[in-house]
Amino acid sequence: DQQVKQNSPSLSVQEGRISILNCDYTNSMFDYFLWYKKYPAEGPTFLISISSIKDKNEDGRFTVFLNKSAKHLSLHIVPSQPGDSAVYFCAASARAWDTGNQFYFGTGTSLTVIP
Amino acid sequence: DSGVTQTPKHLITATGQRVTLRCSPRSGDLSVYWYQQSLDQGLQFLIQYYNGEERAKGNILERFSAQQFPDLHSELNLSSLELGDSALYFCASSPSGLSSYNEQFFGPGTRLTVL
Repeated sequence: DQQVKQNSPSLSVQEGRISILNCDYTNSMFDYFLWYKKYPAEGPTFLISISSIKDKNEDGRFTVFLNKSAKHLSLHIVPSQPGDSAVYFCAASARAWDTGNQFYFGTGTSLTVIP
Repeated sequence: DSGVTQTPKHLITATGQRVTLRCSPRSGDLSVYWYQQSLDQGLQFLIQYYNGEERAKGNILERFSAQQFPDLHSELNLSSLELGDSALYFCASSPSGLSSYNEQFFGPGTRLTVL
């Protein structure tokens, strides 16, 4: 059962425009959400996170929005650059002091930024 | 470079065989996580170790086992291999693992091919 879903396997955006990547989750216990970026032949690298007490977190060109009532988060990249072309994974975690730090990952969205 | 190392990078073996994947966490990180990424799948959490002890278990098959040694490196053992075990196996580490707010740092992965 996939608790974190990324329904768009791929996305193409023109350089300089906004990229919006979406993620939905089903478990209302999730209280921490992250985005990871992955280039071919490399492991995922952390990009940005947000805890459930916030609805927005911004870091440079990257902003993550969280809508708890809809169980939905999105990553906005503005402006998009060719170097942003990668696979983006959404991940979620529930505070579980007695059972560790398990992250649930989506299946990823492959972003292509066209020069 | 995340500071997490994994060996080997590639592994090709036959069905029914047993392999060992190795991971060295970032210096000072106490938690190690193992993930499996099959074709078109997200990262599936397998298991977490914290300071030598198993902390959380995900979708890990009984044919798979792991351990974390006193020097904090970890090994993932896969036995009675099947074609469906072909995947990318990632190791990640984090400073703690007792909080849901720790980001995880990923190694470059081991690509396992079972023929």
